[in-house]
Amino acid sequence: DIQMTQSPSSLSASVGDRVTVTCRASQSIDNYLNWYQQKPGMAPKLLIYAGSILQSGVPPRFSGSGSGTDYTLTISSLLPEDFATYYCQQSYSSPYTFGQGTKLEIK
Amino acid sequence: QLQLQESGSGLVKPSQTLLVTCTVSGGSMSTGGYSWNWIRQPPGKGLEWMGYIYHSGGTDYHPSLKSRLTISVDRSRNQFSLTLSSVTAADTAVYFCAREVQLRSYYYMDVWGKGTTVTVSS
Repeated sequence: DIQMTQSPSSLSASVGDRVTVTCRASQSIDNYLNWYQQKPGMAPKLLIYAGSILQSGVPPRFSGSGSGTDYTLTISSLLPEDFATYYCQQSYSSPYTFGQGTKLEIK
Repeated sequence: QLQLQESGSGLVKPSQTLLVTCTVSGGSMSTGGYSWNWIRQPPGKGLEWMGYIYHSGGTDYHPSLKSRLTISVDRSRNQFSLTLSSVTAADTAVYFCAREVQLRSYYYMDVWGKGTTVTVSS
């Protein structure tokens, strides 16, 4: 199985901050990397797919980049509704695997 | 607009079989280019992909669950279901269904159900 490791596991930030979450795969996943946002009691929501493609309807303050084994999710200027848990997921090979999550909290 | 809705046995006894169904509305499961997935989330923990099925009936399962898991499709009802046998407390989780787009180099889950909680307890 491909292991996905996110860092940090938790992050405190303020409205207006720029934040970056990192996801590292245990082998190259060739941009088969997706990012999801999950709020308490809700289903995950797709933000970015194929490493850097913004899902329709997702605000452009979210962006993704990376290649090979290393990927990042960046939120350019935090809004109150962005405080949530973020997961990366590889779809390069079965079984699909998720990172452990990054909980973004208000400072 | 495509919507997915899970329904199932909320409380299951240990060693019994868990059943959750996902009803697809606003679109047909028979459209090509998609797989239909199950993902679960134990209380306070992260997401675990369980497996998927194609409209044709082809499946792929997580190896750790393969001996206990069956995913099936009911084309007439536009539904797909998960059965998990010999459950233990470790199977207590919120169970989500999701559609995955499979297009060239893009494989991603773009539509999710709200999830249904299944508790394994005597």
